[in-house]
Amino acid sequence: DVKVTQSSRYLVKRTGEKVFLECVQDMDHENMFWYRQDPGLGLRLIYFSYDVKMKEKGDIPEGYSVSREKKERFSLILESASTNQTSMYLCASSSWASGNIQYFGAGTRLSVL
Amino acid sequence: KQEVTQIPAALSVPEGENLVLNCSFTDSAIYNLQWFRQDPGKGLTSLLLIQSSQREQTSGRLNASLDKSSGRSTLYIAASQPGDSATYLCAVRNDYKLSFGAGTTVTVRA
Repeated sequence: DVKVTQSSRYLVKRTGEKVFLECVQDMDHENMFWYRQDPGLGLRLIYFSYDVKMKEKGDIPEGYSVSREKKERFSLILESASTNQTSMYLCASSSWASGNIQYFGAGTRLSVL
Repeated sequence: KQEVTQIPAALSVPEGENLVLNCSFTDSAIYNLQWFRQDPGKGLTSLLLIQSSQREQTSGRLNASLDKSSGRSTLYIAASQPGDSATYLCAVRNDYKLSFGAGTTVTVRA
């Protein structure tokens, strides 16, 4: 089974802190994604990566950056956390070879106070 | 920009009733459509994926149809059970990206 692991289930941070959210997948997938999920808005794509060191902006990249130094790991960075970044963050991975079905991690619920 | 709409936002049914969940999308140039299930506070689990060339896909009690030209998909869940209570999300793929609806939250009453 594909496993996508997010390092934390819950995080509480203060405004202005630098925050790292980590995601690791174990299926050698080339594509990885970061979404945020807010009530009534569904999932919105922040950034995605289709290869090591490659990244593309999604629909809402402002206030975020990403890093993909190794194929299995995709990090989301909040350079200076703000209260409007309080949300559920979901990581996913997929592979062209397996029909591009996206497999999701359990999510990280981030609260910025 | 692709927009995905799911109606209704919430649904409550007695156990045993069939469920019908609707999804519509604005850009019919899709590669595929995927239905997901999400339990409270959890990640997403893929239920069914329909390729753009397919009309329907079935898995057990679940059946999903796709009418690409009209921008619609329907998820049918037969003989609902309390364990089917969850939020159901549909997502359509254009290029690398998935665009999600806001979901339909289903409650099945015992």
